[in-house]
Amino acid sequence: EIVLTQSPGTLSLSPGERATLSCRASQSITSNYLAWYQQKPGQAPRLLIYGASSRATGIPDRFSGSGSGTDFTLTISRLEPEDAAVYYCQQYSGPPPLTFGGGTKVEIK
Amino acid sequence: QVQLVESGGGVVQPGRSLRLSCAASGFTFSSYGMHWVRQAPGKGLEWVAVISYDGNTKYYADSVNGRFTISRDNSKNTMNLQMNSLRAEDTAVYYCARDGHGGYYDWFDPWGLGALVTVSS
Repeated sequence: EIVLTQSPGTLSLSPGERATLSCRASQSITSNYLAWYQQKPGQAPRLLIYGASSRATGIPDRFSGSGSGTDFTLTISRLEPEDAAVYYCQQYSGPPPLTFGGGTKVEIK
Repeated sequence: QVQLVESGGGVVQPGRSLRLSCAASGFTFSSYGMHWVRQAPGKGLEWVAVISYDGNTKYYADSVNGRFTISRDNSKNTMNLQMNSLRAEDTAVYYCARDGHGGYYDWFDPWGLGALVTVSS
C-alpha cells in the first residue's frame, strides 16, 4: 500500500499570496497517477487535479499541480477567501487499495 | 447534470447491519466503476470499496473486507453497500463517488453529498 504524507498540516496565508502544498509518496507513483481534492466544511470533496497536473473541468487556473515519482505539489497562485478548505492528495497507481494523504488545511488570514 | 445521491444512513448498534444506497443520474451508469469513500468525524478520507462497471470486479479496504459487500444494479442505476458486523470505528460519512475515467482505480469525480452512519449503543 502506498502511503501519502502531506505537509504542512496547516497553512495560514493572506489573500493574494501563493500557497504551496506538498504530497510525498512512500514509493514511486506510476505514470503520475495522483489527484488533488478540495473539501470545504460540511461539503463533499471536489476534484481539482488529476494525472498530477491536469485541471478538472471548471477549476480556476490559479490551481496547478506538478511533480513526479514520489514528490508532488499543489500550488494556488493567488489565494482568494473562498480557497479556505482542506486539500487532500490521492494516488491511483495500480489496483486498489486507493489511498489519500492526511490533508492540508489552508486558512485565509 | 451528473448527480449521486446516497441514502440509508442512520444510527445502528454495534454488531448490527445497515445498507447504504447510491442513486445515479445524468450519465451512463453502466459504463463507470463506482466507489465508496468514508470520512470519520473530524478525520481524513478513507477509500472503502469499488465495483467495476459490470459488477464483476470488486475490491475492499482491509478494514472492511469480509464485513462489507458492494453491489450494483445497472438496470436501476443504483449501487449499494451492505455493512455487517458494524463497529464503532465504522462511524463516518459515507460518500458515493464515480470513477473518474470509467475503470475502477482512478480519481473520484463527482462525489455525492454523503450519508452519515453512526454506530453506537
